Amino acid sequence: DAKTTQPPSMDCAEGRAANLPCNHSTISGNEYVYWYRQIHSQGPQYIIHGLKNNETNEMASLIITEDRKSSTLILPHATLRDTAVYYCIVRGGGNTGKLIFGQGTTLQVKP
Amino acid sequence: GAVVSQHPSRVICKSGTSVKIECRSLDFQATTMFWYRQFPKQSLMLMATSNEGSKATYEQGVEKDKFLINHASLTLSTLTVTSAHPEDSSFYICSARGDRDSGANVLTFGAGSRLTVL
Repeated sequence: DAKTTQPPSMDCAEGRAANLPCNHSTISGNEYVYWYRQIHSQGPQYIIHGLKNNETNEMASLIITEDRKSSTLILPHATLRDTAVYYCIVRGGGNTGKLIFGQGTTLQVKP
Repeated sequence: GAVVSQHPSRVICKSGTSVKIECRSLDFQATTMFWYRQFPKQSLMLMATSNEGSKATYEQGVEKDKFLINHASLTLSTLTVTSAHPEDSSFYICSARGDRDSGANVLTFGAGSRLTVL
């Protein structure tokens, strides 16, 4: 599985956009980029995933570079409840099973 | 959407006893479930893959006789921590593949079970 690199921590002002980067330079053609987050003492929560195209849902937007070697998760209007550890994971599609978590980025949204 | 329920959410036990944690997929069938553990201020570590009707697949370094996994139905997997010791105290989290996108590999996670061994 392709490795991912994320900054260990980031701050964001409440109401502003939070842009979380992820590098995955060894990603292969059939691997998706997944984003999950974990709020303290809870199970991880799925946010969004993508293969090649940019994606948007009710939670966030995912921007994947054309060469697919990096991506950015965008929370358009961060709130205090978005404070969490955000994990970027690269894995194959279909029923390929397990997701391996790295250290993630701790996002602190400040008032 | 897909929901995974874990029970109990918290458990305290004495050293040497066994503890069972249940993981249920509430509105979908899960042929495969995954068990993770998480120590304070660390990331999730995959322990094993639970397959319905067959033996679990354990990750390297995880003792299969210590952490018994049973996946007897398409909606239930159980993790039993046998002869628990204080070093087994951790946050145990299960997950299952939902039906959000059949082409991708999206997992739904339970809320976790915090085990404290005295």
